Amino acid sequence: QKEVEQNSGPLSVPEGAIASLNCTYSDRGSQSFFWYRQYSGKSPELIMSIYSNGDKEDGRFTAQLNKASQYVSLLIRDSQPSDSATYLCAVSSSASKIIFGSGTRLSIRP
Amino acid sequence: GAVVSQHPSWVICKSGTSVKIECRSLDFQATTMFWYRQFPKQSLMLMATSNEGSKATYEQGVEKDKFLINHASLTLSTLTVTSAHPEDSSFYICSARDRWSYEQYFGPGTRLTVT
Repeated sequence: QKEVEQNSGPLSVPEGAIASLNCTYSDRGSQSFFWYRQYSGKSPELIMSIYSNGDKEDGRFTAQLNKASQYVSLLIRDSQPSDSATYLCAVSSSASKIIFGSGTRLSIRP
Repeated sequence: GAVVSQHPSWVICKSGTSVKIECRSLDFQATTMFWYRQFPKQSLMLMATSNEGSKATYEQGVEKDKFLINHASLTLSTLTVTSAHPEDSSFYICSARDRWSYEQYFGPGTRLTVT
């Protein structure tokens, strides 16, 4: 079992709709959770971090964390073509390294 | 926001030569930096974890004598690819973890081509 699992996609969403990206993790001791966006040929960019159960909103992005279910998600409202990228879920337990999922490819169709 | 720089952004070298890549955290301190490699259409592969003032920890299958890592200060880590071969051609990305928030920020990457 992979430590951080994501659906590889591609996930195709019409422009203006909500894109929902999901991630599960195996280490119950995980305390920090991150979402990164990576455009083709570029390095990942941190877009959200979440540390406690519930929702965290930042602009069009909402991260959701459920530690009991070992589940973290990212919602992108009013999806734009510029949101088309690979989204990486990452999980860390205190001082240890961050474990990345393999990423979900998101495509926003005009 | 937190900025991580990498230099050079791209490099072409001949087989058998060595290449050094620098990673700097510009506006925060990073006790830990990470080095990744990414081949086209593949996910990030962690190569090693670099801790300031101590030896790097390498992932399984990564040759420590080939990929030399030095983390001399809280803002600088270097990766030297020694005796490079064409199969070492890849996108090398560093990241630095903020010593207080644990958030990890990536550099822009270095594209290495070995001819």
